[in-house]
Amino acid sequence: KNQVEQSPQSLIILEGKNCTLQCNYTVSPFSNLRWYKQDTGRGPVSLTIMTFSENTKSNGRYTATLDADTKQSSLHITASQLSDSASYICVVSAKGTYKYIFGTGTRLKVLA
Amino acid sequence: ETGVTQTPRHLVMGMTNKKSLKCEQHLGHNAMYWYKQSAKKPLELMFVYNFKEQTENNSVPSRFSPECPNSSHLFLHLHTLQPEDSALYLCASSQDSTDRVDEQYFGPGTRLTVT
Repeated sequence: KNQVEQSPQSLIILEGKNCTLQCNYTVSPFSNLRWYKQDTGRGPVSLTIMTFSENTKSNGRYTATLDADTKQSSLHITASQLSDSASYICVVSAKGTYKYIFGTGTRLKVLA
Repeated sequence: ETGVTQTPRHLVMGMTNKKSLKCEQHLGHNAMYWYKQSAKKPLELMFVYNFKEQTENNSVPSRFSPECPNSSHLFLHLHTLQPEDSALYLCASSQDSTDRVDEQYFGPGTRLTVT
């Protein structure tokens, strides 16, 4: 069964600190993996998209990694800001379909 | 804003009501999606339209009825809903379809409460 699991479920950090969010998946055949940021009451916004051949991609202070062999991805946030408080969702797409398998997300709270 | 708009933003309806959710995208995309997001659950794909044709119906109950009159507009018609249908309904669009690394752009969602 295609699944995406994220950890931790929630995380609280102080402003300026770094953090890493994890995503494990069992989706096959693999097409691509995305990280989204979702603010409360808003739609998700794409941060990064990675295909099988990519093992790292950055978007400002966000850096995503992908290990297609172990089916793991991480999202590293550097020098966190209060505006980083949101849910971060890992999404994996299966090859040849429209299906996007969503994780339940990690809820991040950044405190001043 | 992402170029995908949804109306209404909030909707409260009784179980016997009929209502419709509207989504419009201004990005020139050919694929549009409806998702359901319930509390503490992953987003669930409901329907996919590509070039106005429905290409995916993810075992959604018939009380949800989608309509895609053109590539820019997508509706979700609701009737005789249940309280467990209360959720955030998200619309998204992308350039095209399968096996491409296309960005999916989401609207802000409609918060639906069924009483």
